[in-house]
Amino acid sequence: DTGVSQDPRHKITKRGQNVTFRCDPISEHNRLYWYRQTLGQGPEFLTYFQNEAQLEKSRLLSDRFSAERPKGSFSTLEIQRTEQGDSAMYLCASSPRTGLAYEQYFGPGTRLTVT
Amino acid sequence: GQQLNQSPQSMFIQEGEDVSMNCTSSSIFNTWLWYKQEPGEGPVLLIALYKAGELTSNGRLTAQFGITRKDSFLNISASIPSDVGIYFCAGINSGGSNYKLTFGKGTLLTVNP
Repeated sequence: DTGVSQDPRHKITKRGQNVTFRCDPISEHNRLYWYRQTLGQGPEFLTYFQNEAQLEKSRLLSDRFSAERPKGSFSTLEIQRTEQGDSAMYLCASSPRTGLAYEQYFGPGTRLTVT
Repeated sequence: GQQLNQSPQSMFIQEGEDVSMNCTSSSIFNTWLWYKQEPGEGPVLLIALYKAGELTSNGRLTAQFGITRKDSFLNISASIPSDVGIYFCAGINSGGSNYKLTFGKGTLLTVNP
């Protein structure tokens, strides 16, 4: 399977704990995105990477959130001191360098539950 | 922030029926995308539209980029049970970042066999 992969698929954590999610984009896609989706809503943009550079962060991404893409391949999203309001599906997407650059392909998501 | 209004919110139809849904915005969009999401999974890209008036098909699905650039439509012909899911429109706003997708709240489609 050469699609976007995310790990873990599900994470249950207690309030106050730190969690980290991983995303592996489609090979040779240099653009990577993180979105958050809550029940009954569409995905909301969190952040965008072009290669290893983080070019935009949403206001939704508080100081407790940090994302990295150190070598321009996989990316990690860390949430520190989790809160119940962080419970959501965290989606990663990637798109190619040129041509169909606007077509974002999503992974299966990581479902976070904060208890 | 930007809002995309999708309608209807939900549809319950019989297998074999045609389906129409739409998405509107108060702002101009440069790109419209339609996705389908099934429970516990990420959205799957169905159709991408890049020019006003463009009409694009993908099997039984047909989508159109509205002339005003403020709306888009998705039609599904001869629905089958596996069409069940939530259909999202998403767009890239002409006045914003050229990579940040804004999503609607989705249309939940249920197909009765």
